[in-house]
Amino acid sequence: GNSVTQMEGPVTLSEEAFLTINCTYTATGYPSLFWYVQYPGEGLQLLLKATKADDKGSNKGFEATYRKETTSFHLEKGSVQVSDSAVYFCALIDGGFKTIFGAGTRLFVKA
Amino acid sequence: GAGVSQSPSNKVTEKGKDVELRCDPISGHTALYWYRQSLGQGLEFLIYFQGNSAPDKSGLPSDRFSAERTGGSVSTLTIQRTQQEDSAVYLCASRPSGGSGANVLTFGAGSRLTVL
Repeated sequence: GNSVTQMEGPVTLSEEAFLTINCTYTATGYPSLFWYVQYPGEGLQLLLKATKADDKGSNKGFEATYRKETTSFHLEKGSVQVSDSAVYFCALIDGGFKTIFGAGTRLFVKA
Repeated sequence: GAGVSQSPSNKVTEKGKDVELRCDPISGHTALYWYRQSLGQGLEFLIYFQGNSAPDKSGLPSDRFSAERTGGSVSTLTIQRTQQEDSAVYLCASRPSGGSGANVLTFGAGSRLTVL
């Protein structure tokens, strides 16, 4: 079945460091891919998305590129801030419109 | 409504009791999902409703769990004879059927269930 695998956390970085959170997926067909974020004490919200191969989603300085050849959708940010501390979830929506999430990666950013 | 509303926000119950969790999706959203988030775990898919189609119940962990959606709007997740391992945050999400946001889920704040 369809699945999403993302790197285990927690990831701890200093402010202004470069961030990569790896995400790979298994799916039949051509899913849309997403990153959702859960800030402390808040609900999940969409961070960015990409709907087809080679699309790049971006928001708040974060980027992720839909790579069909490697079935990946890695999340990157050039310079993280303390306010980026959160749990990040990679997700896909399959042909049946069921959204499947990865296990989540907790990010801590130190000042 | 403006967002996805869930109630109760917190529920403490004794093992063996039944609980009902309610979700009121965004008006006009045809799809509704239930997920479970256990401490330190990811999001576990439970059930998905789309319009008048038969729900996708493939994620329900046991026959103690059931859900219904009345009138294509409000949904209730029922857990019978609760067990301690049912303790988790139960999240509801909805999405529209068309437009640029068609595949994007909007989540509620969740219902935290604690089974003693």
